[in-house]
Amino acid sequence: KAGVTQTPRYLIKTRGQQVTLSCSPISGHRSVSWYQQTPGQGLQFLFEYFSETQRNKGNFPGRFSGRQFSNSRSEMNVSTLELGDSALYLCASSLGGWRLNTEAFFGQGTRLTVV
Amino acid sequence: AQSVTQLDSQVPVFEEAPVELRCNYSSSVSVYLFWYVQYPNQGLQLLLKYLSGSTLVESINGFEAEFNKSQTSFHLRKPSVHISDTAEYFCAVSEGTGFQKLVFGTGTRLLVSP
Repeated sequence: KAGVTQTPRYLIKTRGQQVTLSCSPISGHRSVSWYQQTPGQGLQFLFEYFSETQRNKGNFPGRFSGRQFSNSRSEMNVSTLELGDSALYLCASSLGGWRLNTEAFFGQGTRLTVV
Repeated sequence: AQSVTQLDSQVPVFEEAPVELRCNYSSSVSVYLFWYVQYPNQGLQLLLKYLSGSTLVESINGFEAEFNKSQTSFHLRKPSVHISDTAEYFCAVSEGTGFQKLVFGTGTRLLVSP
């Protein structure tokens, strides 16, 4: 069974640009959640998507957005990049249903560097 | 709101010695508890989880954690560590409501030396 796949693994962008990160969950998983990891703030929850709907959101500005497609693949977009957006972005997939959402499997992450 | 506290940012230990990584949480509802491990430039790997039932949970590589509701703790232990256990360990909590939202501690770096 293939794991969670995140692309690209590494990305360098300039301030003010926008970026799109991709996540393919484990087959059969319907929930995809995103986390930002930085040395200063640690691991912080961005949002979760289930069946193409955002059902939970963390405390991030509106520049951070996402979506989920009918095949459960998800994309995360960050517009007007700032230096502070440099981080490891982790995607996690899980089964997604009530009482089934007991375990999240993480991808290897996308390392975003904003210069 | 939930929170997780990992008091030790770094734990140095010699190979074959025992280790305990501490984790305390706060939550007003029933929770699920997790320990994840992260190796350099990698994602998070689930080490073990507590959902319900027995308060002592074990992983396949010798780690164990005990859920203590009265002390709101979920400490991770291993009786004898290996060099390969050197990594960052994160304790996490979720409300178990069906929504996949993990709240993580700040992590503990385990440094195993020969």
